Amino acid sequence: GAGVSQSPSNKVTEKGKDVELRCDPISGHTALYWYRQSLGQGLEFLIYFQGNSAPDKSGLPSDRFSAERTGGSVSTLTIQRTQQEDSAVYLCASSFDLAGGYEQYFGPGTRLTVT
Amino acid sequence: GDSVTQMEGPVTLSEEACLTINCTYTATGYPSLFWYVQYPGEGLQLLLKATKADDKGSNKGFEATYRKETTSFHLEKGSVQVSDSAVYFCALNSGGSNYKLTFGKGTLLTVNP
Repeated sequence: GAGVSQSPSNKVTEKGKDVELRCDPISGHTALYWYRQSLGQGLEFLIYFQGNSAPDKSGLPSDRFSAERTGGSVSTLTIQRTQQEDSAVYLCASSFDLAGGYEQYFGPGTRLTVT
Repeated sequence: GDSVTQMEGPVTLSEEACLTINCTYTATGYPSLFWYVQYPGEGLQLLLKATKADDKGSNKGFEATYRKETTSFHLEKGSVQVSDSAVYFCALNSGGSNYKLTFGKGTLLTVNP
């Protein structure tokens, strides 16, 4: 079946602009996660959703970052007033349920470059 | 808090050599442990996992045993192939109300023919 998809695959934006990154999870997966992969910080957890709810937003790096999920499916990560330090690969993952033993399936990522 | 420490490499081996990538962890509770692999130009894929102490995860000739006494989950393969060249990430999920994966920094493996 179809895996996790993300769009766009690459995004170049000017400093100060807003960007939206999209994630389509595997059908039937209730849990969705956003991570960021950068050279300096490795893989960092940003936020997770159970259904449409995000109980813990503490992993988001600043208040310029927000995320939403609608219909228990598609999720959007929005970065406002982008900064150069936001340049990274943003990864989305989904799992059947939240329990720790369930595998998280990752999408191919969106490479964001802020110039 | 949770943390994962793995040898950062890079690791360069000849085909058919033995591989060990060390991974140790700090976590609350009883974490599940994972090895993910990222092949060049591709996304992260789960390689193997273990959800309780003394479990051995295995896949594609790779193995790792969950050692609670040494808080370790070392990745091993007896004979590597060129196609194993990738970045390998050790990760944990401490469960309970904590649903995120905490990753090590990754180990780049290059296997030469």
